Amino acid sequence: DAKTTQPTSMDCAEGRAANLPCNHSTISGNEYVYWYRQIHSQGPQYIIHGLKNNETNEMASLIITEDRKSSTLILPHATLRDTAVYYCIVRVEDAGNMLTFGGGTRLMVKP
Amino acid sequence: GAVVSQHPSWVICKSGTSVKIECRSLDFQATTMFWYRQFPKQSLMLMATSNEGSKATYEQGVEKDKFLINHASLTLSTLTVTSAHPEDSSFYICSARGTGEKLFFGSGTQLSVL
Repeated sequence: DAKTTQPTSMDCAEGRAANLPCNHSTISGNEYVYWYRQIHSQGPQYIIHGLKNNETNEMASLIITEDRKSSTLILPHATLRDTAVYYCIVRVEDAGNMLTFGGGTRLMVKP
Repeated sequence: GAVVSQHPSWVICKSGTSVKIECRSLDFQATTMFWYRQFPKQSLMLMATSNEGSKATYEQGVEKDKFLINHASLTLSTLTVTSAHPEDSSFYICSARGTGEKLFFGSGTQLSVL
């Protein structure tokens, strides 16, 4: 799996958009970008994933650059409950593959 | 969405005893489950891949005789920490692959060995 680079921590004001960047310059053509988050003392939670096109669901939007070397997870209206560690993971969409977690970004949403 | 139930949420045990952690996929069948360990302020580290009906595959450095994994059915995998010691104190998390390629995680088990 390609290596990812994320900022260690970020702050965001409650109600504002949180934009979390991720660099994956060595990503392969068949690797997807996945985002998970982990709230303190809980298991990781799936957020969103994509290959080339931008994706949106009820939780967030995923913007992938045209060269696919970086992406941004957008939480449109951050709440205090969005405070968590956010992990960007790239991997081949293949049955049986586990997820390899990096350091992630610790997002602190402040009132 | 798919649900993975992990039990217990936390356990305290004496050094030298064994602890069993259960991971169940509640509304889907999982031929493969994964066990992770997480120390405070660190990321999740994969310990082993649990395969239904066959032996688990362990990551380098993880003692298979200490961390026994049983995946006897399509909905249940168990991790037994044998002869636990204080250095085994950690947050243990299981995950299972649901429909498509999303992996779903249990809520984790905090193990404290005294």
